[in-house]
Amino acid sequence: EDQVTQSPEALRLQEGESSSLNCSYTVSGLRGLFWYRQDPGKGPEFLFTLYSAGEEKEKERLKATLTKKESFLHITAPKPEDSATYLCAVQAPPRSGAGSYQLTFGKGTKLSVIP
Amino acid sequence: NAGVTQTPKFRVLKTGQSMTLLCAQDMNHEYMYWYRQDPGMGLRLIHYSVGEGTTAKGEVPDGYNVSRLKKQNFLLGLESAAPSQTSVYFCASNDGYQPQHFGDGTRLSIL
Repeated sequence: EDQVTQSPEALRLQEGESSSLNCSYTVSGLRGLFWYRQDPGKGPEFLFTLYSAGEEKEKERLKATLTKKESFLHITAPKPEDSATYLCAVQAPPRSGAGSYQLTFGKGTKLSVIP
Repeated sequence: NAGVTQTPKFRVLKTGQSMTLLCAQDMNHEYMYWYRQDPGMGLRLIHYSVGEGTTAKGEVPDGYNVSRLKKQNFLLGLESAAPSQTSVYFCASNDGYQPQHFGDGTRLSIL
């Protein structure tokens, strides 16, 4: 069974205080690891996909990295507008004959950036 | 370009009532998904569809039915609502390995 564990559950940072969010996973044959951002009252918004260990992706103040067991979302000099819940999800190969590309999500890390 | 649109945005039902949630996507995606999101539980897959006329069960399918009569629409039905189905429901779509695109959810309360 695929499992995704995110830590910490919640994180409060001062504006400009860099930190990292962790996503540990167990999956048979990782196809891709996805990071999403979710604002209150909204649906998840796609940030990054990582496919293989050692891969890195960057977008503004965010950088995502991937190892064989975990992924990190590094936030450099965060601003209040970075406050959101960050979700991690893994994608395994299709298991049914019809094919599917299901995601298994973690419970998320709620980030608050204080001015 | 609307992406994924969910209707209604909010709904309150009484136990035993039925309703249908509608998801529409304008990206010509083959795959569509219904999730529920509960506090402390994360997103859990209810049902999904790999193409028009096909549906399959996800992690938590009991108490729900789905239909995909048109490629752009995916309907989620509750035949006899129960308080345990109080949740936020999200629809998503994609093509295979590509990132899933989500709607903004339907907030459903069952009294």
